[in-house]
Amino acid sequence: GQQLNQSPQSMFIQEGEDVSMNCTSSSIFNTWLWYKQDPGEGPVLLIALYKAGELTSNGRLTAQFGITRKDSFLNISASIPSDVGIYFCAGRNTGNQFYFGTGTSLTVIP
Amino acid sequence: DTEVTQTPKHLVMGMTNKKSLKCEQHMGHRAMYWYKQKAKKPPELMFVYSYEKLSINESVPSRFSPECPNSSLLNLHLHALQPEDSALYLCASSQENSGGRNTEAFFGQGTRLTVV
Repeated sequence: GQQLNQSPQSMFIQEGEDVSMNCTSSSIFNTWLWYKQDPGEGPVLLIALYKAGELTSNGRLTAQFGITRKDSFLNISASIPSDVGIYFCAGRNTGNQFYFGTGTSLTVIP
Repeated sequence: DTEVTQTPKHLVMGMTNKKSLKCEQHMGHRAMYWYKQKAKKPPELMFVYSYEKLSINESVPSRFSPECPNSSLLNLHLHALQPEDSALYLCASSQENSGGRNTEAFFGQGTRLTVV
């Protein structure tokens, strides 16, 4: 399967700081998704992007679908302790296949 | 309702056992998926079903056998597994890829499988 490169691998930030992470691929995707996963649980959808250049917000989260269709970023503003977890990007190709990025582990220090 | 339900939540099985994982969704999604996730790694795609037919098998060993009895249910039959098959097994569903919006995948909570 395909693997998407996600960076940074981990982040340690103070509560209230903003966070930025991104995802790149060698392949084109027609949908980009961002998920958060807590230990022992399934991934929970945060934001979905469907069109190149699209910028979408969900509360303190903002994500963009890159114009080349090979990348996406996620920003979290004013982080809070419950933002702790692993964040995954995922790309959907023209088939029904979703492939995941390598993940970003976020730690928020109160 | 965006719920995908997986049972059991935890499963311990011996290498000679036969067991099944179950997944159910009632969102009317016609694409369903099995993923395998090892600790500290991203989910890896195993199988994709589209309209109850197996459309993608990502070179998964035959000791894993998927089945889609109807549009709401997805099973994963397990036989003669190895200890390295221990992982979190995730089920997901989505609308068929129409090229439009609302084609995101929703995941269940997973089954934590331990092979002893």
